[in-house]
Amino acid sequence: NAGVMQNPRHLVRRRGQEARLRCSPMKGHSHVYWYRQLPEEGLKFMVYLQKENIIDESGMPKERFSAEFPKEGPSILRIQQVVRGDSAAYFCASSPNLAGASDTQYFGPGTRLTVL
Amino acid sequence: QQPVQSPQAVILREGEDAVINCSSSKALYSVHWYRQKHGEAPVFLMILLKGGEQKGHEKISASFNEKKQQSSLYLTASQLSYSGTYFCGTEKGGAQKLVFGQGTRLTINP
Repeated sequence: NAGVMQNPRHLVRRRGQEARLRCSPMKGHSHVYWYRQLPEEGLKFMVYLQKENIIDESGMPKERFSAEFPKEGPSILRIQQVVRGDSAAYFCASSPNLAGASDTQYFGPGTRLTVL
Repeated sequence: QQPVQSPQAVILREGEDAVINCSSSKALYSVHWYRQKHGEAPVFLMILLKGGEQKGHEKISASFNEKKQQSSLYLTASQLSYSGTYFCGTEKGGAQKLVFGQGTRLTINP
């Protein structure tokens, strides 16, 4: 049973370019969470999605960042006009659909974004 | 809102025990514990729901005191493979985002 998959694993962008990060949840999981981790720091929540719905985006910066989880295909975290401060590891986690229940979130290997 | 972990770092010799604490100022629904090795993804250890339950397997266990809004992770007879940074993630309600502590770096020396 494949785990959470993320690609690319490493991404280098120049300032002003766009970054697209992809996450495929574990089989049978319909909840996806995105977290950002700066070097030597903890994980910071960004956004929580279910298929075709954004449930909680309280951790998303107001500008340049967007996320989607379409009916078909992976979840996408999109960063427009990247700046050096966007350099970080971006982790995706997924959990099964247990409505209202506390559930284990399984993390993918992460995408390490470097902005030059 | 971020839970506070203590200690921030600990160095042990193989075979020694460790306790890592996680405290929150907010009422909690659950606490999730993860271990992360450098450059890798966080790996799930265990989840504790409100009710003061204690969970564990082999030499790693945890407790959750709902009234005190605290959780503790216990590592017994530590092994070299236990090295890494331990994070607690707290949840205010079911099926919601996790708010992580700043991490506790554990180093196990031979």
